[in-house]
Order: sequence, then C-alpha cells, then structure tokens
Amino acid sequence: SAVISQKPSRDICQRGTSLTIQCQVDSQVTMMFWYRQQPGQSLTLIATANQGSEATYESGFVIDKFPISRPNLTFSTLTVSNMSPEDSSIYLCSVGRGVGDTQYFGPGTRLTVL
Amino acid sequence: GNSVTQMEGPVTLSEEAFLTINCTYTATGYPSLFWYVQYPGEGLQLLLKATKADDKGSNKGFEATYRKETTSFHLEKGSVQVSDSAVYFCALSAVDGNQFYFGTGTSLTVIP
Repeated sequence: SAVISQKPSRDICQRGTSLTIQCQVDSQVTMMFWYRQQPGQSLTLIATANQGSEATYESGFVIDKFPISRPNLTFSTLTVSNMSPEDSSIYLCSVGRGVGDTQYFGPGTRLTVL
Repeated sequence: GNSVTQMEGPVTLSEEAFLTINCTYTATGYPSLFWYVQYPGEGLQLLLKATKADDKGSNKGFEATYRKETTSFHLEKGSVQVSDSAVYFCALSAVDGNQFYFGTGTSLTVIP
C-alpha cells in the first residue's frame, strides 16, 4: 500500500479565486489520479496526472479549469481555477501501479466555495 | 462500456444484523473488482478486492465473491457493528485502461 497526504484538508474560498491542492505519496508510484466527489455523490475522475507530460483529462474537465502538475513520481498538484459554488466538493488524489491494480486514496480536500 | 451498478441506500440495520449490499458490473474481459469504505469525514479505504472469477475477497468480517456468470460482487457481513456505519463503494478496474469505475455508494447506518 501507499501512504498519501493531501494539503489542505479543507478550505473555504471566495468565488472567482483559485486553490491549489497538493498530494504527496511516501513512495514512487506510476499512476496518480485526481477525483471529485460532489456532496452525496460518487467519485468522478478528473484526470490522470502524468509525470513529465501534460495530464490526461476526462470528458467534461479541461486544463484551464483544473491545471495539474506532476514534477516527480511522488508529488502532484491540482488547481481549481476561477471557482464557483458548483466547485464545492471533496477532491481526492489516488495512486496505483498499473492496470487492474488497487488504487489507494488520500484523505481528501473538502472545498467550500462561497 | 464499463460500469458499476450498486444497491441504492440508505440502509439502516440493527447491530448484529446480516448485511448484503448488491453490486453488479458491466465490463470487457475480466476486470478486477473492489469494495471501498468511506467513514464520515475521511477518504476512501480499500476494504477488499478480487482479481479473477470465483475469487473471494475478505477483510474485517466482510466478504465478496467475484461471480463472472452473474457479473456480481455483492458485499456481505454476518453481524454488523455500529462502527461499520459508513458509505460503501463498489468499483472495477478496467482491463482496457487504468481508470476505475465506481458505483454510486451505499450509506449504511448501524443502530445499537
């Protein structure tokens, strides 16, 4: 398994601002992912964070709104840009080692946008 | 395509009752199947998994068997405790990529 930490654990932000969420893993991992969990809902994959190249975004998510960095195999950031109340969600990062492998999740960042 | 259909909640049980949460899936080939649990205010934790047909995953008294013939992976526990109150997610890992597909989650409340 992997130990994953996220910062911040929660935040309350104003409309129109941006927030950067950090994800740190205690070991090198091949795959890192960012998910969104809206209140009372399941998880939706935002993107796969690729080390050394641009992230791969899922349908409905764009780089301008959710820029992602992954400078090395243990760290990634997700920025939520120009926030609106609809962005209020839990944002989770996860890691995995390949096809069919278990994904391990961070504790999540609870974002509230006023 | 790939998808997971999970029993709707919320589910409320008395302590020591039997628990079943149904999960069926649609997928190409033989995906890996997972149950995750999310306790209030926390992230997702892996509860158990199975990687091939007829495999049984088990952990903390919970069990689920990978049934290829019925494309199911139902979660069971013989005697639930108050501490099992959480949201449970069924998920599959597709063989044609790295993406996980999650069910909608089932909220379980166990009352003393």
